[in-house]
Amino acid sequence: EVQLVESGGDSVQPGGSLRLSCAASGFSISYYWMSWVRQAPGKGLEWVASIKQDGGDQYYVDSVKGRFTVSRDIVKNSVSLHLHSLRAEDTAVYYCAKVGQLPAAHFDFWGQGTLVTVSS
Amino acid sequence: QSALTQPRSVSGSPGQSVTISCTGTSNDVGGYNFVSWYQQHPGKAPKLMIYDVTKRPSGVPDRFSGSKSGNSASLTIFGLQAEDEADYFCCSYAGSHTVVFGGGTRLTVL
Repeated sequence: EVQLVESGGDSVQPGGSLRLSCAASGFSISYYWMSWVRQAPGKGLEWVASIKQDGGDQYYVDSVKGRFTVSRDIVKNSVSLHLHSLRAEDTAVYYCAKVGQLPAAHFDFWGQGTLVTVSS
Repeated sequence: QSALTQPRSVSGSPGQSVTISCTGTSNDVGGYNFVSWYQQHPGKAPKLMIYDVTKRPSGVPDRFSGSKSGNSASLTIFGLQAEDEADYFCCSYAGSHTVVFGGGTRLTVL
């Protein structure tokens, strides 16, 4: 059974940093693209970042480029999102999502999400 | 990376059908057959309902159907049931390994 479990969400001040983790089970992340999607309180979904199955390429939404970094650990079968220079508008539930079998641009499994709150 | 356009809300009675539209551009919806739809109940994670415009993942009832014409995609739910009441989001590939979501539609079952 595929499972994704996020952790690391917290309340931080503007300008602060945070590291989110996503532990995957039931499949190997070395065979699938993985992504992060966020949802601000009461708002819609926003794709944030993706990492290729070989870890060689990462892609980001314009609003987080240069501030967020996505990485993966094959041994731990986990994906991380490093958040820097956090702003109030980064406040959201961050979901880890598995991308479907290539060629694909959909998210077939999601974690339960972890809340990041940026406030002074 | 502009969001796709969805109606804020739709409603229908049990047993009826409803259609949710999702409008984009030739750079996303119109340019690729990679449109997906997600159902989200309050406080829960999104769930994949339709992918590649028309395909249903295993376990999703065949009451859910997807289509696309030009720069617009649609999700139709036949035979509405109370448990279908939720938020629905469309999503499209937008090139360069990016995707864009719609703003979401609240479905109310009357």
